[in-house]
Amino acid sequence: AQTVTQSQPEMSVQEAETVTLSCTYDTSENNYYLFWYKQPPSRQMILVIRQEAYKQQNATENRFSVNFQKAAKSFSLKISDSQLGDTAMYFCAFSITSGTYKYIFGTGTRLKVLA
Amino acid sequence: DTAVSQTPKYLVTQMGNDKSIKCEQNLGHDTMYWYKQDSKKFLKIMFSYNNKELIINETVPNRFSPKSPDKAHLNLHINSLELGDSAVYFCASSQVPQHLNTEAFFGQGTRLTVV
Repeated sequence: AQTVTQSQPEMSVQEAETVTLSCTYDTSENNYYLFWYKQPPSRQMILVIRQEAYKQQNATENRFSVNFQKAAKSFSLKISDSQLGDTAMYFCAFSITSGTYKYIFGTGTRLKVLA
Repeated sequence: DTAVSQTPKYLVTQMGNDKSIKCEQNLGHDTMYWYKQDSKKFLKIMFSYNNKELIINETVPNRFSPKSPDKAHLNLHINSLELGDSAVYFCASSQVPQHLNTEAFFGQGTRLTVV
């Protein structure tokens, strides 16, 4: 079974501080991609960052970076210099093929950035 | 230009009614999806279409029938609506599945409330 686990239902961080959201996954696939999506109160799903499983180098996008540990099947998201606009639900996901095409999402972490 | 657009954004209807949600993408993607997000924010795939062909049907009741008239459209028709169908339904699209290095683009969601 392919699953994604986000063990932190809710987190909060002070503005300008750094926060790390955890994600673990389980798959027997060797090639896959990992994603972090953000869902603000507007409900729109927005891609934050993605990581190719065959790349060892961790992806970074401005204030967002990941710590990808393939052997441990771990894919955490670090947000530096947190801003009020970062307040949202964050979903970890991965995509597979193997004859079925889907993105599997975790249960989400609600992040609140405090002023 | 909206990449993935869903209509309507909100839908309130009585139990037993039949309703449809429309989805269109202008990204030239081959694959489209329907996801259901429940009250706990859990995102679960319902259907996946590739080039108008059904790829995934994730144990969704027969009352839900997707229809893809062409690659750019994937509509969701729901018969005999039940209270438990209340949720936010997201349409998404992505490039061909073997191109794993592409994220899914999401519509804004349709909040369905069955009363």
